[in-house]
Amino acid sequence: EVQLLESGGGLVQPGGSLRLSCAASGFTFSSYAMTWVRQAPGKGLEWVSGISGSGGTPYYADSVKGRFTISRDNSKNTLDLQVNSLRAEDTAVYHCARVAAGMVDYWGQGTLVTVSS
Amino acid sequence: EIVMTQSPVTLSVSPGERATLSCRASQSVSSDLAWYQQKPGQAPRLLIYGASTRATGIPARFSGSGSGTEFTLTISSLQSEDFAVYYCQQYNNWPPLLTFGPGTKVDIK
Repeated sequence: EVQLLESGGGLVQPGGSLRLSCAASGFTFSSYAMTWVRQAPGKGLEWVSGISGSGGTPYYADSVKGRFTISRDNSKNTLDLQVNSLRAEDTAVYHCARVAAGMVDYWGQGTLVTVSS
Repeated sequence: EIVMTQSPVTLSVSPGERATLSCRASQSVSSDLAWYQQKPGQAPRLLIYGASTRATGIPARFSGSGSGTEFTLTISSLQSEDFAVYYCQQYNNWPPLLTFGPGTKVDIK
């Protein structure tokens, strides 16, 4: 059974940083691209960042480019998202998800990031 | 950049009725289109990929159609568990980008 479990969210002040993590199990982690998708309270889904199965190629939405860094450790089956220079508009639930040929076929429940002073 | 739009914003349907949801891409995405269902407090669930292929375990009352820029998700006979928000997503230019539509909420009439 595919499982994705996020952690690392919390309350942070504007300009602050967090490191989000996702522990994956139930599949061959290195064979799949992975992604982070966020959802602001009461809003829709927004793609944030993705990374190839090898970890060699990261991808970012324009809204987070230069502030967020995605990485993965295929030896530990973990996906991370370092989020810096946080803004109020970054407040959201951040979902870790598996990408299969572009479709997002498995999702974690998410971790809430709240940016507020 | 490909922009996805969905209509209507809200669809009010009675149980047992048919629901038809639309998704439009600002440029052709071929058949690289997925649909997701999201219920309150839950993660999204993949329903349809390749514009018309049901994901594993998805009931036959869900069907997808379309190609290019115009797509439709049809729920043939709404069940109580189908009241949710539905999102379309294009993956024609993945990598590096994925794009979601703004969603359609299906609620009880």
